[in-house]
Amino acid sequence: AQSVTQPDIHITVSEGASLELRCNYSYGATPYLFWYVQSPGQGLQLLLKYFSGDTLVQGIKGFEAEFKRSQSSFNLRKPSVHWSDAAEYFCAVGGFGLRALNFGKGTSLLVTP
Amino acid sequence: DAGVTQSPTHLIKTRGQHVTLRCSPISGHKSVSWYQQVLGQGPQFIFQYYEKEERGRGNFPDRFSARQFPNYSSELNVNALLLGDSALYLCASSLGVGLLAETQYFGPGTRLLVL
Repeated sequence: AQSVTQPDIHITVSEGASLELRCNYSYGATPYLFWYVQSPGQGLQLLLKYFSGDTLVQGIKGFEAEFKRSQSSFNLRKPSVHWSDAAEYFCAVGGFGLRALNFGKGTSLLVTP
Repeated sequence: DAGVTQSPTHLIKTRGQHVTLRCSPISGHKSVSWYQQVLGQGPQFIFQYYEKEERGRGNFPDRFSARQFPNYSSELNVNALLLGDSALYLCASSLGVGLLAETQYFGPGTRLLVL
């Protein structure tokens, strides 16, 4: 069965600093990997996705993620964080033919002035 | 283009009651999935429907049921509500065909409070 671990429950960064959110997955076949962002009281917005090909994926809002098969990781990065990036971030794994996305428990990002 | 829409946005029910939540997918999307997100947790898969047929079911009791209509909209029904059913219920749509089917787009959710 597939699973996702987001080791960091909370992360605090200063505005303008770089950001890396960690995601580790477990899946027996080729994974499809996603990062979603959720603002308070809102639904999920897709930031980026990886199916195959180039392991460095660019997304919206200046985010990128790198797929590392050897480490079973799909970490999310942003070179310079803005106050508006404060939100909950979820990593999810799916696979060909799977009916469900399996989500991690999320990482809450706080951005300080 | 309109995204995934859900109604109502908020709902308050008492234990033992029944609730129906509604979802309209993105135009052209034929698959709808439902997720439950309890406070402080990631979304948990409940159901997926494609072309009015159930394609997948998560680990939820039979009190939870769903259906999809010919226009691809969907309803989630929960009977005999329990306090633990209080959550944000998210609907997601996808094309339902091919690799792009694996990308799910989420609505704003319905927040259900059971008292």
